Amino acid sequence: AQKITQTQPGMFVQEKEAVTLDCTYDTSDQSYGLFWYKQPSSGEMIFLIYQGSYDEQNATEGRYSLNFQKARKSANLVISASQLGDSAMYFCAMREGQSQGNLIFGKGTKLSVKP
Amino acid sequence: EAGVVQSPRYKIIEKKQPVAFWCNPISGHNTLYWYLQNLGQGPELLIRYENEEAVDDSQLPKDRFSAERLKGVDSTLKIQPAELGDSAVYLCASSFTANTEAFFGQGTRLTVV
Repeated sequence: AQKITQTQPGMFVQEKEAVTLDCTYDTSDQSYGLFWYKQPSSGEMIFLIYQGSYDEQNATEGRYSLNFQKARKSANLVISASQLGDSAMYFCAMREGQSQGNLIFGKGTKLSVKP
Repeated sequence: EAGVVQSPRYKIIEKKQPVAFWCNPISGHNTLYWYLQNLGQGPELLIRYENEEAVDDSQLPKDRFSAERLKGVDSTLKIQPAELGDSAVYLCASSFTANTEAFFGQGTRLTVV
């Protein structure tokens, strides 16, 4: 079974609007971490935001926020006020357990911001 | 602060030839990862190091792939011999510990012809 599922291969958003990128995960661990990365066409994976399974508040970093719904096992990324530079691939990832360390990635969503 | 540095950025080789990739992690980061990313896919872990010890190499095709992290800093990933299916981007990442966020290098794009 897929550990990380990103159901949107591609998304379009108008500049200055908000967009939500979906991510659902599958784990039986009680302790885990969820990450979002951005990969522009240059290829580098850029860390955006992190949510721990025990964190009660949704994580926020500038224009990025993570809508964490633990019971539904979803960790959607919300980008507010989209900018042209936000056009990129976005990957959701999970790290299970206290010390396993391995990041498991989804297949990604390609976001295109329209002017 | 310098990020994760990988070299070369691009490499084109003929099949059956050897190839090596180099990674210099962020200073002080104990955990180092090598990931493989095929076109249109998310990265997949090849190997993870804690200092100089390979703690997870279960996804590394050991018949042709090898890796080392001497002195727990720089790391080298080698393929010998390369096959056409090895064409992909090889990403190196590092993190302070296994539980903190990982930072990635720009990757090495390998083309095997």
